[in-house]
Amino acid sequence: AQKITQTQPGMFVQEKEAVTLDCTYDTSDPSYGLFWYKQPSSGEMIFLIYQGSYDQQNATEGRYSLNFQKARKSANLVISASQLGDSAMYFCAMREGAGGAQKLVFGQGTRLTINP
Amino acid sequence: DTEVTQTPKHLVMGMTNKKSLKCEQHMGHRAMYWYKQKAKKPPELMFVYSYEKLSINESVPSRFSPECPNSSLLNLHLHALQPEDSALYLCASRRWTSGGQETQYFGPGTRLLVL
Repeated sequence: AQKITQTQPGMFVQEKEAVTLDCTYDTSDPSYGLFWYKQPSSGEMIFLIYQGSYDQQNATEGRYSLNFQKARKSANLVISASQLGDSAMYFCAMREGAGGAQKLVFGQGTRLTINP
Repeated sequence: DTEVTQTPKHLVMGMTNKKSLKCEQHMGHRAMYWYKQKAKKPPELMFVYSYEKLSINESVPSRFSPECPNSSLLNLHLHALQPEDSALYLCASRRWTSGGQETQYFGPGTRLLVL
């Protein structure tokens, strides 16, 4: 079975600093996809960024980038110039299965707090 | 537009009540999901519908009954729930393809309290 590990239950960062959220994964499937979601206290899961296993370059979306190290099976999320609104729960997830049986396997999450 | 809507936002029900949660998307996505999320935990998959047919049931108790009446709408019927069923219920949808990026987009959730 596939597995996602997020080792940081909580992180505290000063506003405007960069922050790295760790995620490691375990799979024997050569084709896989990795996602990061943000969940504010309101509850909605907000999609941030995606990295495919065959993508040659690290994914970037605005202030978000994914540090993808395939050999180490890690997919860390980097948030540059953090803002107070970045305070939330962050989940790393991996795609499992295909077609109608596709589902996401989530890590336990990291709670990020941005201090002013 | 990547909007998934869910109603109601909050629901309080007794253990003998029957209620329904509703999820709607107009993105043309043909896969729709129900998740249950307890506080400080990741979402747990409950059901997956693909082309309006149930494709995954993660051994969910029968007091939860999903329904997909059309490609835009997903319901979750609730009956005789237990207090431990209190949680945030999230709906998600994704474009159905055989490969590539298939992002799941989530709705805002329904916070359910069972008394």
